[in-house]
Amino acid sequence: SQQGEEDPQALSIQEGENATMNCSYKTSINNLQWYRQNSGRGLVHLILIRSNEREKHSGRLRVTLDTSKKSSSLLITASRAADTASYFCAITTGVGGTSYGKLTFGQGTILTVHP
Amino acid sequence: ETGVTQTPRHLVMGMTNKKSLKCEQHLGHNAMYWYKQSAKKPLELMFVYNFKEQTENNSVPSRFSPECPNSSHLFLHLHTLQPEDSALYLCASSQVSGGEGYEQYFGPGTRLTVT
Repeated sequence: SQQGEEDPQALSIQEGENATMNCSYKTSINNLQWYRQNSGRGLVHLILIRSNEREKHSGRLRVTLDTSKKSSSLLITASRAADTASYFCAITTGVGGTSYGKLTFGQGTILTVHP
Repeated sequence: ETGVTQTPRHLVMGMTNKKSLKCEQHLGHNAMYWYKQSAKKPLELMFVYNFKEQTENNSVPSRFSPECPNSSHLFLHLHTLQPEDSALYLCASSQVSGGEGYEQYFGPGTRLTVT
């Protein structure tokens, strides 16, 4: 499977701590994206990192990408109870116009932040 | 709100019923997607439409029939479903990909229960 696979499957931390989630994949990618999903709701896009980028920041989020290891990590700093959600990585692959933005998702990491 | 709406939010139907899910995006995107999210499984891409044309059918059973009358609207017609089709059905939209892939914007989903 070329889908992203997150690790750990579940993570429980205290408010104020940092949370790190990892994603591994098996094929060459165009970009890798991270999404967040609150229970039973739609997904919200967090960050997109292209294959030629190594690190991106957005607020309290930091994403790294290591294409040689085919892995990415999402770091949430100073976590809050409101960060409690499932986090998914998704990869896009394909050459030219054939991929049509197709995303392949991993199973996700369930993050619980205790107040 | 992400600019993508889905109706209904909840649907209970019998195996012999016919129903339709509706998705509308107000983002000016030209690509729309249907996904299925079941418990303990990765998000599964079902269909992709670009400029109203179906460009991907991910081996979806014929009891699911998509329709895209224009770039802003997407329907999923359901008939003679099975209990295993119970899931959260998510609609998403994005710019058309030129091979690189763009972030997708998701609706809140329709929670479908087949009895």
